[in-house]
Amino acid sequence: AQSVTQLDSHVSVSEGTPVLLRCNYSSSYSPSLFWYVQHPNKGLQLLLKYTSAATLVKGINGFEAEFKKSETSFHLTKPSAHMSDAAEYFCVVTWGYKYIFGTGTRLKVLA
Amino acid sequence: DAGITQSPRHKVTETGTPVTLRCHQTENHRYMYWYRQDPGHGLRLIHYSYGVKDTDKGEVSDGYSVSRSKTEDFLLTLESATSSQTSVYFCATLQGASTDTQYFGPGTRLTVL
Repeated sequence: AQSVTQLDSHVSVSEGTPVLLRCNYSSSYSPSLFWYVQHPNKGLQLLLKYTSAATLVKGINGFEAEFKKSETSFHLTKPSAHMSDAAEYFCVVTWGYKYIFGTGTRLKVLA
Repeated sequence: DAGITQSPRHKVTETGTPVTLRCHQTENHRYMYWYRQDPGHGLRLIHYSYGVKDTDKGEVSDGYSVSRSKTEDFLLTLESATSSQTSVYFCATLQGASTDTQYFGPGTRLTVL
């Protein structure tokens, strides 16, 4: 069965410093993996997705993620945090035509 | 964006009353989904549909039913609402075939008193 674990429920960074949001997955076959972002009281927006092409995936707003099969990880990074990055982030693994969501990481950006 | 609207956007109801939430899409996507979002749980799948009149249960389907009589509409019904069903409900669609990207609606905030 597919599952995904987001290792941190809350992450705080200072503006201008790097962001690392961690995600580990479990999958019985080669998965598709996604990161979504949800700003307060908003819907979900696709940040990026991995679908077995390049292992380093670039998304919107300067975010990127690296698929590491040996570590079963798909961590989300950004070189320099901006105040507008404050939001909740969800890692997702597919299971057929269904999505399995992680429990989310709330990112706080300090001025 | 797959042209997804949800109605109502906010609803307050009382325990024991029936409630129906509507999801409408304009892109003729085959798959449609209902999720609930609760703090600490991420999004959890309630029911999904893979075509007109074709539906299946998700991981938290107890107390919910769905119907899809047209491609563009997917209804979620709480037959007798309970306080544990207070949540934010999201609809999503997926085209199917060559794509596995889901697109999400704006959500419906439901409060059951």
